[in-house]
Amino acid sequence: GAVVSQHPSRVICKSGTSVKIECRSLDFQATTMFWYRQFPKQSLMLMATSNEGSKATYEQGVEKDKFLINHASLTLSTLTVTSAHPEDSSFYICSAGHGGGQPQHFGDGTRLSIL
Amino acid sequence: QQQVKQSPQSLIVQKGGISIINCAYENTAFDYFPWYQQFPGKGPALLIAIRPDVSEKKEGRFTISFNKSAKQFSLHIMDSQPGDSATYFCAARIGKGNTPLVFGKGTRLSVIA
Repeated sequence: GAVVSQHPSRVICKSGTSVKIECRSLDFQATTMFWYRQFPKQSLMLMATSNEGSKATYEQGVEKDKFLINHASLTLSTLTVTSAHPEDSSFYICSAGHGGGQPQHFGDGTRLSIL
Repeated sequence: QQQVKQSPQSLIVQKGGISIINCAYENTAFDYFPWYQQFPGKGPALLIAIRPDVSEKKEGRFTISFNKSAKQFSLHIMDSQPGDSATYFCAARIGKGNTPLVFGKGTRLSVIA
């Protein structure tokens, strides 16, 4: 099946640090990638949708200057959490889709802990 | 407004029993309904999915039942095993794979021996 690789799986860093998370589709071209945030024992909350070569579309309430998304190729999207603070600590998950009615596949998530 | 309502929030089933999780939706434009399984510390993994032109789909021990008129769909796990203990999410989507999924709140399943 389709594989989406997310890296790193865990980050622990100091407040004020910027953190970059990578999401790669390994065996298909992902025209669209999605970034989610998940709090403990809760559902996935969509943060933004990114189409290759275009600016990301952010959900209401998500700060675009805080969460920078780049989708420069059909196999790679990155999420950069800028000047991270403890309230940004969460589980971030990406998914990739390539249209044509095919299912979306998820990465294994990144656990971000800001001290 | 929650577009996809999932119940129950948690479920305990004996090994070998049937686990049933239900979802209901409002938006009749949804045309794709997947179920995902998530283990702690991992991303969701696609289990099975259905489109509204089919009333039932079965893959191994997993079955989706779909009732278009009632705008409901459910996941049945037959012969539930301890390894099935996880959180299950139903979801819905409009259009092709480049539109976002709308998720239910999840059901935490525990299968006990």
